This record gives sequence, structure tokens and C-alpha cells, in this order.
Amino acid sequence: KAGVTQTPRYLIKTRGQQVTLSCSPISGHRSVSWYQQTPGQGLQFLFEYFSETQRNKGNFPGRFSGRQFSNSRSEMNVSTLELGDSALYLCASSVDRAYGYTFGSGTRLTVV
Amino acid sequence: GDSVTQMEGPVTLSEEAFLTINCTYTATGYPSLFWYVQYPGEGLQLLLKATKADDKGSNKGFEATYRKETTSFHLEKGSVQVSDSAVYFCALYTGANSKLTFGKGITLSVRP
Repeated sequence: KAGVTQTPRYLIKTRGQQVTLSCSPISGHRSVSWYQQTPGQGLQFLFEYFSETQRNKGNFPGRFSGRQFSNSRSEMNVSTLELGDSALYLCASSVDRAYGYTFGSGTRLTVV
Repeated sequence: GDSVTQMEGPVTLSEEAFLTINCTYTATGYPSLFWYVQYPGEGLQLLLKATKADDKGSNKGFEATYRKETTSFHLEKGSVQVSDSAVYFCALYTGANSKLTFGKGITLSVRP
């Protein structure tokens, strides 16, 4: 059974640019969540999608956005990149959130 | 709001030593509790979970018991191996907040 697939694994962008990250959940999982991991702030919730609808959103500026497609694949976009956006971005999918999420390997974003 | 507190790290143990990593939580309602592990350069892996009070989660020799009276979910292993070296995160999920809330994580190093 394939796991959660995130692409690309590594990304280097310049301040002011925008970036799109992709996540393919486990087949049958309709809930997809995104987290940002940094050494200083730890793991912070960005947003969650279920059946193409954003169900929950964390405390991030509007530069961070996402969407989910009809096949449950999800993308997140960060516009006008700042140095502080450098982080590991993790996607997780679930069939029943109370029983746990399966995480992808993450996308390591470096903003220079 | 929901919060998870983990003991301060890092922790360094010799192989075959006993491991305890403390985790306490504050939550609205009745959360599901999780331990996740992160190996270098990878995403998070679900190690074990417990969804109601007095449940014991177990996997790969690790155990944790959901203690509602002390709001705790301490992780234990009787005999650690070098391959257990990783970062361990305690987390909770509540339907009210509809997201995972993580502790800061603790780095475990096991020396031969």
C-alpha cells in the first residue's frame, strides 16, 4: 500500500517568489492536513482539507493557502516567500482522524 | 486551548537501558493520544496510540497508557536499541479543534 507522497523533497527559492508543494494521500483517505516544522516553533498546523473543502485553518498569514482536488490530492502554496518560511512542510492523511494520521516524508523548503 | 508538554531533552542512554519519556496534556473533552517518531531526514511515523482512558498503546516494544486522572501518556520501553535513536513527539487530537497538537519533541540517542 503506497504511503503519503510529497513532492518535491527539496526546494530552494528566493525571497519574494512563490512556491507550490504537492501531496498525494493514501488511497481512500479523504482528509489531508499540512504542518510546518521548524527548530524554533516545532510542529504547527497549517490547514486541513476534506472532500475539497477546507475544514480547519491554523494561525498563519494569508500568504499560505491550499486546496484539495477531487482525487484527494492536495497542494499548498506560499506566496511572497520570506526567510522565515524556511521549514520542513509535512502533509498527513487520515481515514479517521481520531485514530491517527499518516505523514509523508516532507518537503524541505529553503528560502534564500 | 489544547497543549502537550514533554520532558526536556535530549536524552542519552546506553543500549538495553530502560526508557521513560514523560508527556502530559491539557485538552477540551476527551482526546486521542499519540506518540510519533521522526528519524533523521524523514517525516513522522505513528508509533502508538490510545483513544480512551486506560487504553494502552504498544508497538515495537514501546508502551504508553492513557491516564485521564493524571492527564498523562508517558512512553516506556524496557530495553532500548541503537536503532531507537530518533526524535519522539507526543500529540493529541480532539474533535473540537480538529487538528493534531504536538509537544516540542525530545531527541533520544542510544549509544552501543
